[in-house]
Amino acid sequence: SAVISQKPSRDICQRGTSLTIQCQVDSQVTMMFWYRQQPGQSLTLIATANQGSEATYESGFVIDKFPISRPNLTFSTLTVSNMSPEDSSIYLCSVRGQLNEKLFFGSGTQLSVL
Amino acid sequence: GENVEQHPSTLSVQEGDSAVIKCTYSDSASNYFPWYKQELGKRPQLIIDIRSNVGEKKDQRIAVTLNKTAKHFSLHITETQPEDSAVYFCAASYSGNTGKLIFGQGTTLQVKP
Repeated sequence: SAVISQKPSRDICQRGTSLTIQCQVDSQVTMMFWYRQQPGQSLTLIATANQGSEATYESGFVIDKFPISRPNLTFSTLTVSNMSPEDSSIYLCSVRGQLNEKLFFGSGTQLSVL
Repeated sequence: GENVEQHPSTLSVQEGDSAVIKCTYSDSASNYFPWYKQELGKRPQLIIDIRSNVGEKKDQRIAVTLNKTAKHFSLHITETQPEDSAVYFCAASYSGNTGKLIFGQGTTLQVKP
């Protein structure tokens, strides 16, 4: 499986600020996704990061709040904008390989908003 | 919309016993069903998966069964060990071959030594 590096691993942020999370993969992958996992909860898909074009957002998530970039096949960023305490969560990058449909996750970013 | 229901939410077994976790899905077009194990503070790890053209798949102590007609699938862990203790998530693909997964609510498995 691909090696997925995500950073920062954790951060504590002030209300109203923004945080950009980076996801780097060691090989080219067909698809990259961003998930959110609220404390003690399941995983919810935020969006599909499309290479060279705007991300595809799931219901309940918007670009102004969660802008996403994917400039190439191995790198993506997720920004959590104008943060509030409700954004406190783990954010996970995930990738799907070129040869199969298996989905693998990065190590996650634990975000706390004060 | 698409939905995956997972039961039970918690499961406690004695070491050596079997554990079964069940999921049902709503999208009849779903064709890929992975299971993930998440230990505390760690990322979800893929442990086994099954496609819709297969009824059962086994990997050592872990097996998954799929009933397409009833739209449910199950994870079976035999001879459980304390290191099997974790949260397990089922998932189902949706929106065709897009790679999107919708996850169940999770099952916290505790294996008592």
